[in-house]
Amino acid sequence: QVQLQQWGAGLLKPSETLSLICGVYGGPFSDYYWSWIRQPPGKGLEWIGEISHSGSTNYNPSLKSRVTISVDTSKNQFSLKLSSVTAADTAVYYCASRALWRSDYWGQGTLVTVSS
Amino acid sequence: NFMLTQPHSVSESPGKTVTISCTGSSGSIASNFVQWFQQRPGRAPTNVIYEDNQRPSGVPDRFSGSIDTSSNSASLTISGLRTEDEADYYCQSYDSSNWVFGGGTKLTVL
Repeated sequence: QVQLQQWGAGLLKPSETLSLICGVYGGPFSDYYWSWIRQPPGKGLEWIGEISHSGSTNYNPSLKSRVTISVDTSKNQFSLKLSSVTAADTAVYYCASRALWRSDYWGQGTLVTVSS
Repeated sequence: NFMLTQPHSVSESPGKTVTISCTGSSGSIASNFVQWFQQRPGRAPTNVIYEDNQRPSGVPDRFSGSIDTSSNSASLTISGLRTEDEADYYCQSYDSSNWVFGGGTKLTVL
């Protein structure tokens, strides 16, 4: 059973860089694509981007200029960096898996608040 | 850009059947697989349907998914509604290699 555990800073000031890490436990890291998704308070889900175990990435075009997703296969971890954050980036951030066309495993979510 | 449109909310009584629609904005909804996620307050989403109509293990057969090409829409049907089914439901598909989510539907079980 795959489990995702995520962590990172929960309070940022405008213009800082958001940084989150997601650890993958109990499953073959190379069998999946790994995604980040966010959800502003009271709103719907927004896909941020995805990375394969080999490092191939796809990003949401609306965020692409500010997003970097990377992978560390030696630690079975992947990470998210979002630069130049504003209050509009305040959200719960989730990491999640994708195997072909199904996404069964999600992290617990991390609330990131951007406030001066 | 490809978009998925869901009703903002639906409500039904326990024991009844409810269907939540998810309409594609362009192209054919059948061109890419659709997933459905259930999200209870304060919790991460969980997958209840993948590949249009497949249920992950542990999801009761009261949940079913379908595709209707005539209306370019996907649907999630929940039969024998229980109070525990009250949640937000999101459809999700793909635009090229990018995930696309519907806006979500709040299901109230009265």
